[in-house]
Amino acid sequence: GEDVEQSLFLSVREGDSSVINCTYTDSSSTYLYWYKQEPGAGLQLLTYIFSNMDMKQDQRLTVLLNKKDKHLSLRIADTQTGDSAIYFCAVIDATNKLIFGTGTLLAVQP
Amino acid sequence: EPEVTQTPSHQVTQMGQEVILRCVPISNHLYFYWYRQILGQKVEFLVSFYNNEISEKSEIFDDQFSVERPDGSNFTLKIRSTKLEDSAMYFCATQAGDNSPLHFGNGTRLTVT
Repeated sequence: GEDVEQSLFLSVREGDSSVINCTYTDSSSTYLYWYKQEPGAGLQLLTYIFSNMDMKQDQRLTVLLNKKDKHLSLRIADTQTGDSAIYFCAVIDATNKLIFGTGTLLAVQP
Repeated sequence: EPEVTQTPSHQVTQMGQEVILRCVPISNHLYFYWYRQILGQKVEFLVSFYNNEISEKSEIFDDQFSVERPDGSNFTLKIRSTKLEDSAMYFCATQAGDNSPLHFGNGTRLTVT
């Protein structure tokens, strides 16, 4: 089945850029998503990219997709303390289920 | 922006009891899902529901679990005879079409004692 992997932890200083990486195995994924989860809260859809695109920018967020390497990244420019959260990459598998990555805890130091 | 609403936000129950978790989908959405997140672990797919029937279910979703949409609005997850290992956050998600993003509720934290 689909396997989605992320690094577990990233620490950055306020104002720096954050880059969160994700790799997946199933090349049939048509949409790839980034969700944000703040402590004790639900899953907030941040952004998503269609598989025929290689980049999508939305204000401070930039998503890069390398289909050949099955690699997805989320860049957050000018990272703020309010960006501290767990970020989940998620892809649609061959049976149209959303499969989540392990999550990356982003810690923003003031 | 329309939201997926889940109730209750926190449910504490004793082992062996039955619980019903409720979800109000976004009004024009057609596909419904339940996901589970055990503390510190991945978000796992439980079940998908479309056109008043289960489309797919995971290995986790055994006979202990059931879903229904009894009144055309609420989408419920029933867990019979709860076990300690059912303690988790349960997320409802809804989707307008099969190529649309999933929108998640804030979850119900289930604690089985």
